[in-house]
Formats: sequence, C-alpha cells, structure tokens
Amino acid sequence: GENVEQHPSTLSVQEGDSAVIKCTYSDSASNYFPWYKQELGKRPQLIIDIRSNVGEKKDQRIAVTLNKTAKHFSLHITETQPEDSAVYFCAASRNSGGYQKVTFGTGTKLQVIP
Amino acid sequence: DGGITQSPKYLFRKEGQNVTLSCEQNLNHDAMYWYRQDPGQGLRLIYYSQIVNDFQKGDIAEGYSVSREKKESFPLTVTSAQKNPTAFYLCASSLQGPDTQYFGPGTRLTVL
Repeated sequence: GENVEQHPSTLSVQEGDSAVIKCTYSDSASNYFPWYKQELGKRPQLIIDIRSNVGEKKDQRIAVTLNKTAKHFSLHITETQPEDSAVYFCAASRNSGGYQKVTFGTGTKLQVIP
Repeated sequence: DGGITQSPKYLFRKEGQNVTLSCEQNLNHDAMYWYRQDPGQGLRLIYYSQIVNDFQKGDIAEGYSVSREKKESFPLTVTSAQKNPTAFYLCASSLQGPDTQYFGPGTRLTVL
C-alpha cells in the first residue's frame, strides 16, 4: 500500500520567516495531494492541494510543489504569522479498486514565534 | 465543512461495551470516511465508503464496524474487540474521485 512520510515533525520559525514541510510517497499511482491544517482540538481543513498533472500551485502566502519523478511534494509558507501555528498534514490519494484511498503523513507541528 | 456533523463530541465508555459514533453530511457527497487520530500522530483510515450499501476496510479496521444505509449517514461502531479505543475519531466526506475531504468536528472517545 501507499506510504507517506512527512518531515520535519516539529518546526519553529520566527514571525515573517518562511516554513517548508516536505513529504514523500511510495505509490506512483497517487494523483492528488492535499495539505490540511489542524488547529488544536479542531478538525483538519484543506489549505491547498495539487494534482499530478501540475508541478506547482500558489495561493497567496502558501505554495505547493510536486516532483512526480522523485515522488515528493512540499508545502511552502512565506511571511509566517502567529496564526499559522498549527499541525499540518500532507496526504496522497490514489484510485484503489474503484475507490479513492487517501493516506496521510504523520503531521508537522509548526510554531511561529512572534 | 459546516455540512458534516458528528455526535457526540465527547464519549465515555466502560470496557466491554460497544459504542456507536454518528456522522451525518448534507453536502450530497458520495464518499465518506472514518479516521482515528492518536496524540501526536497522523490520521489513520478505519473504513471508507464510496456508495450506499458498500464500504471497504481501511488500514486499521479490526475492532470496528460501519454501515452505509443512507447517503447522508455513515455511523461507526467501536466494538469491545478494539483493544485500545481511546482516541479522537474524525469523519470526512468528499465527492467521488480525487477531491477535497471535508471533516466533521470529531468525537473524543475515552474508555474508562
């Protein structure tokens, strides 16, 4: 089955600096890669996603890059703010027997220091 | 994500009891999922369903059961066979195919 590895597990940055979180996946059939943000005690919410036919996508201060050959994708947050502090999860999604199966990474706890 | 709800928010269970967690969505999504989240860990897939009356085991299905009698509802039963059921349970739904999952607010289950 699919295996998604996520690094680092914790990340502290100064406010205004950039943060980068990296994920690798094992199944070349994965075709959809969402990123979720989860604040303490709350539900995960989608912040950005990328499909396998695209190499990069940007939404204001957030960007995601995908390298299909190397099977890795990354989340980039620029000009970080204290409200960016949360746990971020990457995921890889693929078709499995007619079902879309999603595998999550183990999460990165981001702390933005004011 | 206001269109997907879970109840109760907190649930306490004695050892040996079965409990059922509710998940309802009004987003007209075909696909629904159950995940388990343990402290400091990611989301692990328990069961998922793409259509009514059909569901598939995820990575950690042992000790759990589900049903999908209606498109809007996907209840999860945690049975007494689940060895370590204390966790945060999240339900999600999405359109068919590769697409965004919308999560419910979660149920925190504690076994006493």
